[in-house]
Amino acid sequence: AQSVTQPDIHITVSEGASLELRCNYSYGATPYLFWYVQSPGQGLQLLLKYFSGDTLVQGIKGFEAEFKRSQSSFNLRKPSVHWSDAAEYFCAVGAATGANNLFFGTGTRLTVIP
Amino acid sequence: DVKVTQSSRYLVKRTGEKVFLECVQDMDHENMFWYRQDPGLGLRLIYFSYDVKMKEKGDIPEGYSVSREKKERFSLILESASTNQTSMYLCASSRTGSDTQYFGPGTRLTVL
Repeated sequence: AQSVTQPDIHITVSEGASLELRCNYSYGATPYLFWYVQSPGQGLQLLLKYFSGDTLVQGIKGFEAEFKRSQSSFNLRKPSVHWSDAAEYFCAVGAATGANNLFFGTGTRLTVIP
Repeated sequence: DVKVTQSSRYLVKRTGEKVFLECVQDMDHENMFWYRQDPGLGLRLIYFSYDVKMKEKGDIPEGYSVSREKKERFSLILESASTNQTSMYLCASSRTGSDTQYFGPGTRLTVL
């Protein structure tokens, strides 16, 4: 069965520090992988996605993620966090073929302290 | 840019009322989705539709129904609202099933 695990419920970082949010997935087929961000009271906005090709993916707002098939991971990184990055982050997985929907993790809430 | 709109940002209803949540997308997407979001549980899929008049149950369809009469519009219906349906409801659309989903701003529903 498909599943996505985000092991960190809440992370606090200082402004200017680096960030890594973890995502592990379980999927039998070739996965499509996504990271979304949700600001308070808002819908989800796509940060980046991996379909195929280069395993290091660049996204908006200075974020990047690396697909590691051997570890079934798709961790999100940012070298220097800004206060405006405080939000909830969701990892999601879909199938390259056959499926009609995505599976979302439970999210990681990021707090940024000045 | 893809735009997904939801009919209300905030809604307060009484137990037993029939509730309609509407979602409209402007990108001619085939697929539309309804999720509910609760703290600590992430997004849970209620129903999705891959074509007009077609629908499939998601993970938590009990107590909900949907309607898709036109390609751009997908409605979520709570036949008889209950307090445990108090939640944030998110609508999304995508070109294909596993493609990028574009989300609306959400409707925060409170059932008293």
